[in-house]
Amino acid sequence: DQQVKQNSPSLSVQEGRISILNCDYTNSMFDYFLWYKKYPAEGPTFLISISSIKDKNEDGRFTVFLNKSAKHLSLHIVPSQPGDSAVYFCAASDSGNQFYFGTGTSLTVIP
Amino acid sequence: KAGVTQTPRYLIKTRGQQVTLSCSPISGHRSVSWYQQTPGQGLQFLFEYFSETQRNKGNFPGRFSGRQFSNSRSEMNVSTLELGDSALYLCASSLPQGVNTEAFFGQGTRLTVV
Repeated sequence: DQQVKQNSPSLSVQEGRISILNCDYTNSMFDYFLWYKKYPAEGPTFLISISSIKDKNEDGRFTVFLNKSAKHLSLHIVPSQPGDSAVYFCAASDSGNQFYFGTGTSLTVIP
Repeated sequence: KAGVTQTPRYLIKTRGQQVTLSCSPISGHRSVSWYQQTPGQGLQFLFEYFSETQRNKGNFPGRFSGRQFSNSRSEMNVSTLELGDSALYLCASSLPQGVNTEAFFGQGTRLTVV
């Protein structure tokens, strides 16, 4: 059973606009959430994270929002750049060192 | 600081054979996890090792096994390979339990079963 879901397999955005990637989870025990970015033929690289005690974390152009009551998190990228084109995975952890990953959203930023 | 190293990068095997993949974690990281990535399935958790002990296991058949050595290096073995085992196998290392930190991934081993 998929405990972390990314319901949009793909997303296309114009350069300079905002990209919003969404993620839903089912396990209320998750207390740490992460976003990873993956290019073809490479391993995922860590992008940004958020603890369940917060509802927002910002790092440059990347902001992650957490809505615990809705069990929903989102990643905002603004402004989007062509180099942001990649597959984005959200992940959740219950501090047990097991990370549960979504199926990924392929982002294409159109120049 | 060296990253997570996985070897080999690419493998081609025949159905029925067995394969062993290797992962060297970041120095100081004692937790090593393995994931399988296939198109449309995201990253599926295989198992996690800490201090040479398997702590967590995903929903994969017994043909998938692993181990961890005293220097935290880990190996994953798949026996009696099937065509459906073709995938990118990723290893990730992280700090021990109780510490909210990210997992660091290697570049993966691309396994093709023919």
